[in-house]
Amino acid sequence: DADVTQTPRNRITKTGKRIMLECSQTKGHDRMYWYRQDPGLGLRLIYYSFDVKDINKGEISDGYSVSRQAQAKFSLSLESAIPNQTALYFCATSDFTSGADTQYFGPGTRLTVL
Amino acid sequence: AQSVTQPDIHITVSEGASLELRCNYSYGATPYLFWYVQSPGQGLQLLLKYFSGDTLVQGIKGFEAEFKRSQSSFNLRKPSVHWSDAAEYFCAVGNTNAGKSTFGDGTTLTVKP
Repeated sequence: DADVTQTPRNRITKTGKRIMLECSQTKGHDRMYWYRQDPGLGLRLIYYSFDVKDINKGEISDGYSVSRQAQAKFSLSLESAIPNQTALYFCATSDFTSGADTQYFGPGTRLTVL
Repeated sequence: AQSVTQPDIHITVSEGASLELRCNYSYGATPYLFWYVQSPGQGLQLLLKYFSGDTLVQGIKGFEAEFKRSQSSFNLRKPSVHWSDAAEYFCAVGNTNAGKSTFGDGTTLTVKP
């Protein structure tokens, strides 16, 4: 089984709808991240969490919110989806006990907002 | 603040040819450095990482990278590229003070038959 899972893998929604993307991990890592990927723009960090009580905005948090329900779960919500939020979304985890932020990525969620 | 530059957006090489992908970083001390690969339709996977010690590091799939402090570079190399290496490659710099990593914008590799 995959260590970092994302649901759904694909989602098509309409403008104005609320949508939640979920991420679960079995790696036991404290750190979790949400990124979006757009062609030509690389990875952009939306939110990150260093533990259950520590949540931080990334470079593009406007229009998004997150919830860290447990060490293993980190959800990303779009309160009112808009077409320019159409993108590939990745969740990642990392464990800093080795002294560096080595990240492990989920398979991604492809979101289309019509 | 740390930053990463991958100067090449897209590189095309012939199968069997050698490969070098460039990565330059900015960081105030000796950084942690990473290369990740994203195959089509998949998430990113760690190829290799440099923390300290030997400046030439070996990774999976026959890749290696060399840390050059004087050039602030961490270029990725492979002596003979296979068609399955076609992917997007991301360089990242890690913060040695427990901060998060910063990713470059990626380089897309196309392999010609």
